[in-house]
Amino acid sequence: AQSVTQLDSHVSVSEGTPVLLRCNYSSSYSPSLFWYVQHPNKGLQLLLKYTSAATLVKGINGFEAEFKKSETSFHLTKPSAHMSDAAEYFCVVSEGGSQGNLIFGKGTKLSVKP
Amino acid sequence: GAGVSQSPRYKVTKRGQDVALRCDPISGHVSLYWYRQALGQGPEFLTYFNYEAQQDKSGLPNDRFSAERPEGSISTLTIQRTEQRDSAMYRCASSLVGPGQGVPSTGELFFGEGSRLTVL
Repeated sequence: AQSVTQLDSHVSVSEGTPVLLRCNYSSSYSPSLFWYVQHPNKGLQLLLKYTSAATLVKGINGFEAEFKKSETSFHLTKPSAHMSDAAEYFCVVSEGGSQGNLIFGKGTKLSVKP
Repeated sequence: GAGVSQSPRYKVTKRGQDVALRCDPISGHVSLYWYRQALGQGPEFLTYFNYEAQQDKSGLPNDRFSAERPEGSISTLTIQRTEQRDSAMYRCASSLVGPGQGVPSTGELFFGEGSRLTVL
């Protein structure tokens, strides 16, 4: 069975400092992995996705994530946080194929201090 | 509109009443998904459709929950005899293609802003 664990429920950084949001996954097959972001009172938006091509994936707004099979991790990073990055971030796994559903982690709330 | 539209945005109902939540996907999107998100949790899959066909309803918690998409566009999620534990944000998403359409799912779902249900 597939699952996703987001290791931190809340991360706080100062503006201009690096961001690291951690995610570990469990999957029986070759997974597809995603990060979605949810700003207050907005719908979820796709940040980036990994689908077995390059292991380092670049997304929108300067975010990137690296797929590490040996560590079963897919951590999200950004070199320099901006105030507008404050939001909730979800790591997501999908085994694709005939399955229609994505499995979401519990989310990590990112706060950015001025 | 350009995005996924859900209505109502907020619904407060009394225990035992039926509720219907509506989702209008992005025009031309083949697949439509329903998720439920409890406070402090990530969204949990309920069901999804390709066109009008319900492909997977394994996430529906019990037979009080049902969904339909009769013309392959707008979808309705119905909860009968609501209970307090049904209180949550119900999120709809759509995608251009999806599983079973002969191409791999890209996983890029476009989400609406959700319908917040409160059962008193």
